[in-house]
Amino acid sequence: AQSVTQLDSHVSVSEGTPVLLRCNYSSSYSPSLFWYVQHPNKGLQLLLKYTSAATLVKGINGFEAEFKKSETSFHLTKPSAHMSDAAEYFCLGGGTSYGKLTFGQGTILTVHP
Amino acid sequence: ETGVTQTPRHLVMGMTNKKSLKCEQHLGHNAMYWYKQSAKKPLELMFVYNFKEQTENNSVPSRFSPECPNSSHLFLHLHTLQPEDSALYLCASSGSGLAGGSTDTQYFGPGTRLTVL
Repeated sequence: AQSVTQLDSHVSVSEGTPVLLRCNYSSSYSPSLFWYVQHPNKGLQLLLKYTSAATLVKGINGFEAEFKKSETSFHLTKPSAHMSDAAEYFCLGGGTSYGKLTFGQGTILTVHP
Repeated sequence: ETGVTQTPRHLVMGMTNKKSLKCEQHLGHNAMYWYKQSAKKPLELMFVYNFKEQTENNSVPSRFSPECPNSSHLFLHLHTLQPEDSALYLCASSGSGLAGGSTDTQYFGPGTRLTVL
């Protein structure tokens, strides 16, 4: 069975500093992994997706994530935070029965001026 | 977000009311999903439809009744709900929904904020 764990429920950074949101997965086979962002009262928007084509995945809004099989991690990073990045971020894993995704618990990112 | 639309965006209903949530996708996808997002809880998958056929019912109470008349439309009929059903209900769609389709990206609508009094 697959599970996805987001290691931090809250992350707080200053504007202009790097962002690191952590996600670990467990899977008996090669997973599909996604990062989504949710702004208040909005649906989930896809940031990026890993499907084994490349271990470093670049997404929208300057975000990227690196798949590390040895660490079973898929952490989301951004070199410089912007105020508009403040939102909740979800790591999702696929690779089980079709259509079903496993959701992480979410990480709320706060960006201070 | 514009690919998947949901109406209404906000809904307040009493426990004895009957209402319906609507989802429409304009992406040509064949799979559609209903999720429930409650405060401080992970997203919960409720139902999955592939090519109009229900393929997943995640132990959802019968007071929630989904309907998928075609691949572009998905409804969630609500009746005799409880206050604990208050949540954000999200609809999503994905390309194939076939075996191996868990690699498909799911596109989410903006959600319906439901409050049950």
